[in-house]
Amino acid sequence: DQQVKQNSPSLSVQEGRISILNCDYTNSMFDYFLWYKKYPAEGPTFLISISSIKDKNEDGRFTVFLNKSAKHLSLHIVPSQPGDSAVYFCAASTGYALNFGKGTSLLVTP
Amino acid sequence: GAGVSQSPSNKVTEKGKDVELRCDPISGHTALYWYRQSLGQGLEFLIYFQGNSAPDKSGLPSDRFSAERTGGSVSTLTIQRTQQEDSAVYLCASSPWTGETQYFGPGTRLLVL
Repeated sequence: DQQVKQNSPSLSVQEGRISILNCDYTNSMFDYFLWYKKYPAEGPTFLISISSIKDKNEDGRFTVFLNKSAKHLSLHIVPSQPGDSAVYFCAASTGYALNFGKGTSLLVTP
Repeated sequence: GAGVSQSPSNKVTEKGKDVELRCDPISGHTALYWYRQSLGQGLEFLIYFQGNSAPDKSGLPSDRFSAERTGGSVSTLTIQRTQQEDSAVYLCASSPWTGETQYFGPGTRLLVL
């Protein structure tokens, strides 16, 4: 049973615009949320995280928003760059085991 | 510094054979995790080690899967009598301590023919 869902398999955005990647979860016990970025033939790379006591965390061009009542997480990338093209995974945990979504493939076009 | 390394990077085997996958975590990281990613799926948790504590094996899909971590560092994931459904990318991650950010290796791509 998929507890973390990324309902958009792919997203295409023009360079310089905002990319918004979405994630929904079902387990209200999740208290830590992360986004990972993955290039082909490489392992996932940690991008940004947020704990359940916050609703926003920002790191440079990346901002993660958490809406606990809606059980919804989003990642905003502003401005998007061609190097951001990759698969983005949302993950959530209650302790140490991460529960991952299936990923969203982001393509940033020049 | 050096990241998590895994070997082999690719492995092709015949159904019924045993395979061993190796993970070298980041030096000093006490927690080590194994995940797998089947085609079109997200990463699936398999097993977790923390220091010398008993591992959490709750994610292992069958008793054909086992893992050990020697000396609190290197870990080996063993799959006995491989089946075609075992074909996946097996990823190892480590973190300084439990609950901290996990850093992933490049994975081992396993293909069972």
